[in-house]
Amino acid sequence: DVKVTQSSRYLVKRTGEKVFLECVQDMDHENMFWYRQDPGLGLRLIYFSYDVKMKEKGDIPEGYSVSREKKERFSLILESASTNQTSMYLCASRSDYEQYFGPGTRLTVT
Amino acid sequence: SQKIEQNSEALNIQEGKTATLTCNYTNYSPAYLQWYRQDPGRGPVFLLLIRENEKEKRKERLKVTFDTTLKQSLFHITASQPADSATYLCALDRGNMLTFGGGTRLMVKP
Repeated sequence: DVKVTQSSRYLVKRTGEKVFLECVQDMDHENMFWYRQDPGLGLRLIYFSYDVKMKEKGDIPEGYSVSREKKERFSLILESASTNQTSMYLCASRSDYEQYFGPGTRLTVT
Repeated sequence: SQKIEQNSEALNIQEGKTATLTCNYTNYSPAYLQWYRQDPGRGPVFLLLIRENEKEKRKERLKVTFDTTLKQSLFHITASQPADSATYLCALDRGNMLTFGGGTRLMVKP
């Protein structure tokens, strides 16, 4: 079974803090994605990566950056967290067409 | 601009009936469309993929149709069960990425 894990299920951070969200997949997938999910807005793509050290902006990259140093690991970075970044963050990896999602990290920025 | 619409209102049906969920899109010409299931507090799980040249796809009690002229996909669950209660998301191909609809919550009552 494909497994995508995320470093935390719940996270509480203060405004202005630097936040790292880690995602690891165990299926040697080349493509990995970061989404945020908000009520009424659905899943929105922040960044994706199609190879090590390669990244592409998604639909809402502002305020975020990413890092992909190893194939299995894709990190989302909030350089200076703000309250409007309070959300559910979901990581996914892709095999052919389907995406496999992690359990999500619920981030609260106070 | 590109838009995907799923009925944001919850769909309530009786156990044993067929549930039909709708996904409409504009300004897309996707090569394929996918459906995912999401349970509360969890990441989406892939269910089915249908390509633009396929009219219908089935998997056990699930059936998906894809009408590229109407720009619409219908997702059916026959003989629905309370365990089918979840949010169902459609997702459209955008090359390397997917764009997700907002999802429809299905409630199957015993």
